[in-house]
Amino acid sequence: AQSVTQLDSQVPVFEEAPVELRCNYSSSVSVYLFWYVQYPNQGLQLLLKYLSGSTLVKSINGFEAEFNKSQTSFHLRKPSVHISDTAEYFCAVSQPSGSRLTFGEGTQLTVNP
Amino acid sequence: GAGVSQSPRYKVAKRGQDVALRCDPISGHVSLFWYQQALGQGPEFLTYFQNEAQLDKSGLPSDRFFAERPEGSVSTLKIQRTQQEDSAVYLCASSLRRDRNEQFFGPGTRLTVL
Repeated sequence: AQSVTQLDSQVPVFEEAPVELRCNYSSSVSVYLFWYVQYPNQGLQLLLKYLSGSTLVKSINGFEAEFNKSQTSFHLRKPSVHISDTAEYFCAVSQPSGSRLTFGEGTQLTVNP
Repeated sequence: GAGVSQSPRYKVAKRGQDVALRCDPISGHVSLFWYQQALGQGPEFLTYFQNEAQLDKSGLPSDRFFAERPEGSVSTLKIQRTQQEDSAVYLCASSLRRDRNEQFFGPGTRLTVL
C-alpha cells in the first residue's frame, strides 16, 4: 500500500516570493513521484515527474522538486511566484510495476499582488 | 492536438437515477483510468483499462458502479441508483502503453445528486 501526505492545505504568498509545497509519501517499494496542477474548471496537468536518475527535476515554468529517499519527500519549490501560479497542486505516487496514481489531498497556492 | 474529453461536463441527478459518464481518450492511448474526486479531496482511483480489458476495478466503491470500454477507445462509467455520496467530480485519464506513468487528464464531469 502507498499513501501521500501534503502537509499544507493552503499556502498564501505574495507575488515574487519563494514558495515550497511539501509532500511526503509512504510506500514499501520503490515509487515514481509526480506533481500535478489543477487550474479552476480545468483538468489536472502534469507539472513534473521523478522516475529515476537525477533526484532534482524541473518544469518549464520554473518549478522544481527534489526526491529525497531517506526522508520520503518530494517537495515542490519555486524561487519567485507569479499571480498565474495560483492553482491547486497535487502530489502523487505510483509503483513502477503498477498503473494507478495515489494522490495527496492537494495544496491550494494563492499568489497575492 | 486533441486531449482527453469528457461529457457531460455537469450532471444533476435525482437520488435513485442511473447516470452514464463518457470519456474520449487521446487517440492511440492504450491505457484508460477513472478517478473520483470529492470536494476538497485529491482524486481517488476507481478503475483501469488496457485496451478493452478492465485490468483493475478494485477502486470501485460499490456494485452500483460499472465501467466499460468495449472497443478499446471510448469508455463509459455508469452509476446505478445514484446516492448523495456519489456527488463528486469524475476524472478520466489516458496514457500511452510504453509511457503509462504519464497520465493525461480530461476536464472531468461534475456529478451532483440531489
